[in-house]
Amino acid sequence: GAVVSQHPSWVICKSGTSVKIECRSLDFQATTMFWYRQFPKQSLMLMATSNEGSKATYEQGVEKDKFLINHASLTLSTLTVTSAHPEDSSFYICSAPRGGKQFFGPGTRLTVL
Amino acid sequence: QQQVKQSPQSLIVQKGGISIINCAYENTAFDYFPWYQQFPGKGPALLIAIRPDVSEKKEGRFTISFNKSAKQFSLHIMDSQPGDSATYFCAASPNYGGATNKLIFGTGTLLAVQP
Repeated sequence: GAVVSQHPSWVICKSGTSVKIECRSLDFQATTMFWYRQFPKQSLMLMATSNEGSKATYEQGVEKDKFLINHASLTLSTLTVTSAHPEDSSFYICSAPRGGKQFFGPGTRLTVL
Repeated sequence: QQQVKQSPQSLIVQKGGISIINCAYENTAFDYFPWYQQFPGKGPALLIAIRPDVSEKKEGRFTISFNKSAKQFSLHIMDSQPGDSATYFCAASPNYGGATNKLIFGTGTLLAVQP
């Protein structure tokens, strides 16, 4: 199957700082990628659709100015959590489609102190 | 209408038994229904998926049963093993294009297979 990587796998930051998470499709190109957030023992909630070469599409209730998404190339999408607060602590997961299937990255655990 | 309802929330099965997880949806525009397996601290991994034009799909010990008229689908894990212990999510993709579109996830089922 296709491989999607994320970096970093975990990050701890202080409240008020910004954190960037990378999502890469390793062996295929993806014009679209998706970003999800998952709180402990809960389901995955779609945050936004990342579109290569154009603006991201955000789901209702997701602050676009807080969660900045940049799809700079056909293999890389980045999610930047700006001015992070403890309530932003969560598991962030990206996915990319290939061959009619969605492949997920391993996730990034964000802890905001 | 965008929700996917999943049950049960948790499930305990004896080794060798059959695990059954059910999902229901409202939106008739959904046209792609995958099941994912997730271990703690890991991303979801695709297990098996089905489209509305078939009523059943089997891959190894995993089977999806799909009832289009009832808008329900289920995952059956045959000969369940302790290594199957994980959280299982059903999902559905709205609009056309199948997996190239966003997924709406069910609430998840925590499966524990006892040895």
